[in-house]
Amino acid sequence: GAVVSQHPSRVICKSGTSVKIECRSLDFQATTMFWYRQFPKKSLMLMATSNEGSKATYEQGVEKDKFLINHASLTLSTLTVTSAHPEDSSFYICSADPGLAFYEQYFGPGTRLTVT
Amino acid sequence: GQNIDQPTEMTATEGAIVQINCTYQTSGFNGLFWYQQHAGEAPTFLSYNVLDGLEEKGRFSSFLSRSKGYSYLLLKELQMKDSASYLCAVRDSNYQLIWGAGTKLIIKP
Repeated sequence: GAVVSQHPSRVICKSGTSVKIECRSLDFQATTMFWYRQFPKKSLMLMATSNEGSKATYEQGVEKDKFLINHASLTLSTLTVTSAHPEDSSFYICSADPGLAFYEQYFGPGTRLTVT
Repeated sequence: GQNIDQPTEMTATEGAIVQINCTYQTSGFNGLFWYQQHAGEAPTFLSYNVLDGLEEKGRFSSFLSRSKGYSYLLLKELQMKDSASYLCAVRDSNYQLIWGAGTKLIIKP
């Protein structure tokens, strides 16, 4: 089956620093990748849709200057949390869409970010 | 607006059957998904329905009625490892997934 990796799985950083999270589709090409965040006991919240070679589409209320998304290739998308603050602490999950011929998104294992 | 409703929490006994309901109101419909999510982990795909009816896959089955905006996930022969959150999601006319808040299922011995 399709595999999506995410790195790092856990990161602790100090307030004010930036953190980069990588999402890779290992055995397929993903023209579209999605970034979600999830607070404890809450559902997934879509942050942005990332298309290879173009700018990401951000959901309402998500600061694009704070959450930088780059989708430079068909197998890699990155999310950079800039000038992180404690309220950015969350579980960040990416997913990859192989295309309309497939109906499901494939999720990465998630990244637990803690900002101290 | 778009809305997905499912119960917040359910409790069931090991070996029994449980049905988790999901109702939706979305801009268009291009399929309904059920995902399982264990605490601290990413969701894993369980089932996909795009036509009315029942889809069976081992101990898990999923049903869809598009006219009623309704789906359910049926879990049989419950095992302790089935304790997890179950997320209902609908793909709308823009092919965007709209997620429900999830149902936390607690299995008791």
